[in-house]
Amino acid sequence: AQTVTQSQPEMSVQEAETVTLSCTYDTSENNYYLFWYKQPPSRQMILVIRQEAYKQQNATENRFSVNFQKAAKSFSLKISDSQLGDTAMYFCAFMKHVRDNYGQNFVFGPGTRLSVLP
Amino acid sequence: GAVVSQHPSWVICKSGTSVKIECRSLDFQATTMFWYRQFPKQSLMLMATSNEGSKATYEQGVEKDKFLINHASLTLSTLTVTSAHPEDSSFYICSATQGIEQYFGPGTRLTVT
Repeated sequence: AQTVTQSQPEMSVQEAETVTLSCTYDTSENNYYLFWYKQPPSRQMILVIRQEAYKQQNATENRFSVNFQKAAKSFSLKISDSQLGDTAMYFCAFMKHVRDNYGQNFVFGPGTRLSVLP
Repeated sequence: GAVVSQHPSWVICKSGTSVKIECRSLDFQATTMFWYRQFPKQSLMLMATSNEGSKATYEQGVEKDKFLINHASLTLSTLTVTSAHPEDSSFYICSATQGIEQYFGPGTRLTVT
């Protein structure tokens, strides 16, 4: 079974600064996907970024980028130029790859509560 | 992008009554939907996998008779909490898959008094 660990229950960062959230996972699968989701106070889950395990290049989405280390099973999220709207719970998630990928659920980490301070 | 809706967004019910929560994929068909439960300041806990046209698959420890799931069409799954008790109070989130993407509904806050 897959497990996802986020070792930082809470973090804070000053507005405009950079912060990195940690995520490690355990799996025997070779093909899988990793995700970072944001859950703001509204509690709507919002996809931040996705990484395919077969891709060596780290995914980036504007101010958000990941450091994917497959051998170390590490998947950290870097937020640059932090904004007040980035304040939220951040969940790391794992999904194994299955052909057609129907019906595959996520395994979520426990989350990191990020506060961006003015 | 794909949109998943949930109804109601919040509900208060009396202990012993049943409440139904709907999850709809608005602009795509979803063979599989998932139901999660989330306690305050905690992660999402998968309750069950809802498959269109077949029985739901429940996670270990989730009571099938208490949390009834029906996936009547490719765009609708319902979760019915039967004989609700205060300990069932929680935030319930559904999601629907399209390829490798999973789209989440906005959640339903259930309070049982």
